[in-house]
Amino acid sequence: GQQVMQIPQYQHVQEGEDFTTYCNSSTTLSNIQWYKQRPGGHPVFLIQLVKSGEVKKQKRLTFQFGEAKKNSSLHITATQTTDVGTYFCAGHSAGGTSYGKLTFGQGTILTVHP
Amino acid sequence: DGGITQSPKYLFRKEGQNVTLSCEQNLNHDAMYWYRQDPGQGLRLIYYSQIVNDFQKGDIAEGYSVSREKKESFPLTVTSAQKNPTAFYLCASSPRRALHGYTFGSGTRLTVV
Repeated sequence: GQQVMQIPQYQHVQEGEDFTTYCNSSTTLSNIQWYKQRPGGHPVFLIQLVKSGEVKKQKRLTFQFGEAKKNSSLHITATQTTDVGTYFCAGHSAGGTSYGKLTFGQGTILTVHP
Repeated sequence: DGGITQSPKYLFRKEGQNVTLSCEQNLNHDAMYWYRQDPGQGLRLIYYSQIVNDFQKGDIAEGYSVSREKKESFPLTVTSAQKNPTAFYLCASSPRRALHGYTFGSGTRLTVV
């Protein structure tokens, strides 16, 4: 079945440093979604990418979807302590219904030291 | 305000007992989902439902059961057949086309002693 791998599993940074997490799927995806889960909280939807090679920005966050639609990345510029949490990527397999099974990566736990 | 309500927030049960976790949404979403979260393993899909009176098994359905009698409600029963039930359970919903991603509830942390 479809597998979504995310690296690194953990990342510790000093406040002000940049951070990147990478997501790789075993199959071609129809879309990729990114979620953030604060410690003790629940996942919150951040963004969805659909097109091959798509790049979207949300303030200090930059999201990319690979040309082959099998990988994605999230880059945070100049991290802040409010960025602490677990970042998950998740995708639907190409050819599946858009509201069918969404497969999540294992997540990257980000710690920001002040 | 629209959203998903999961109850209870914390649940303790003795080994061998069945337990039902509640999930209610007032977002008018067609699809609902149950995920299990364990440390270091991300979110794993237990069951999902795209329409009332219909549901499908996810990747780890063994030892769980669900029902979808109403659009707003998707309760999950953790049965005594589930070998390792202690976990954080998350319910989510999405519109039919899921263009805006999933909306998650605040979760139920189940501990079996």
